[in-house]
Amino acid sequence: SQTIHQWPATLVQPVGSPLSLECTVEGTSNPNLYWYRQAAGRGLQLLFYSVGIGQISSEVPQNLSASRPQDRQFILSSKKLLLSDSGFYLCAWSGLTVNNEQFFGPGTRLTVL
Amino acid sequence: GQQVMQIPQYQHVQEGEDFTTYCNSSTTLSNIQWYKQRPGGHPVFLIQLVKSGEVKKQKRLTFQFGEAKKNSSLHITATQTTDVGTYFCAGSGGSQGNLIFGKGTKLSVKP
Repeated sequence: SQTIHQWPATLVQPVGSPLSLECTVEGTSNPNLYWYRQAAGRGLQLLFYSVGIGQISSEVPQNLSASRPQDRQFILSSKKLLLSDSGFYLCAWSGLTVNNEQFFGPGTRLTVL
Repeated sequence: GQQVMQIPQYQHVQEGEDFTTYCNSSTTLSNIQWYKQRPGGHPVFLIQLVKSGEVKKQKRLTFQFGEAKKNSSLHITATQTTDVGTYFCAGSGGSQGNLIFGKGTKLSVKP
């Protein structure tokens, strides 16, 4: 069966510090991968998605970037965090086409102070 | 661009009462999906509707897809405290289009 992992689970970082969140998927090949951000009590904002290694599409301009160095690895990064980057970061995967059902990881709760 | 609107934003019910959340799209959708996010958890896929006018049931949950494939609803009969959470709809304009999530309806159930 397929599983999706995210780490760390929680993170507290000072403003201006770098960020690296990792997401890995097991049990499937060539997944579509997604990064979402969810502000407290709010909906899901799609940040990036990837349909293959090295292929990244950005949905929202920001100081974040994403990379997919391996088929089942998706990384979210920032060189300098802003206060507004605080939130719940969710990684998800889907099979076949990008409009298929998505399976979410447990998320990383980021607080920028 | 495509938008998916969901109402209400919040719903407080007494245990045993029914609950409905509505989802409306500005464009025709190829499919509509529903997810549930428990407090502190991550969204979990519930169901996908594809056909115009489709109705699907999961125990006390009834999902409908409108005839024009622009709206959908989720109805819960006789809510229980285990139904607490935020319900999201998500729609896509086609196989090449990403899912667009509604902002969710947060359901609280008073025992």
